[in-house]
Amino acid sequence: QKEVEQDPGPLSVPEGAIVSLNCTYSNSAFQYFMWYRQYSRKGPELLMYTYSSGNKEDGRFTAQVDKSSKYISLFIRDSQPSDSATYLCAMSYYGQNFVFGPGTRLSVLP
Amino acid sequence: EAGVAQSPRYKIIEKRQSVAFWCNPISGHATLYWYQQILGQGPKLLIQFQNNGVVDDSQLPKDRFSAERLKGVDSTLKIQPAKLEDSAVYLCASSPPLDEQYFGPGTRLTVT
Repeated sequence: QKEVEQDPGPLSVPEGAIVSLNCTYSNSAFQYFMWYRQYSRKGPELLMYTYSSGNKEDGRFTAQVDKSSKYISLFIRDSQPSDSATYLCAMSYYGQNFVFGPGTRLSVLP
Repeated sequence: EAGVAQSPRYKIIEKRQSVAFWCNPISGHATLYWYQQILGQGPKLLIQFQNNGVVDDSQLPKDRFSAERLKGVDSTLKIQPAKLEDSAVYLCASSPPLDEQYFGPGTRLTVT
């Protein structure tokens, strides 16, 4: 079993749709959970950063962490064509041992 | 605030040659990371520095890869000798301690 698993997609949605992206992980020691957006030929850009379980909202983005299920989610409301990118989940414990998922490619169609 | 700078942006070398990448982190960021991202995969951590000390290099192929961070600021990552499977994007990131990482644009390496 891989340490972090993520559906690679591609995921295609119409503009304005709600997008749900998910990751599962195996190491219960992870405490910090992150979502990054990566455009083609660019470095990853941090979207959301959460500690332990719970929800966090920032504009159109909501991150959820369920440590009991080892499952994290990112929701994007009112999706825009500019949201088309690869979304990477990442996690770590105490600022070390960072592990990234393989990424989900998202296309938002006008 | 200036971002993480990396150079070169692209590099093409033949197998068995050596190559070096340079990273300048965001000013004041104590932690610096080097990642390898193979096409279609997520970034894989190669080495993490805290100031000029190594925190984690468990996934660094030490027989061919080396990295240093002089004076706790800039860093270089070297591959010697390169193999075909080293073709990837090499990403540098920096962060304050225990905080989110900020990535540079990466160096795209092609080994032929």
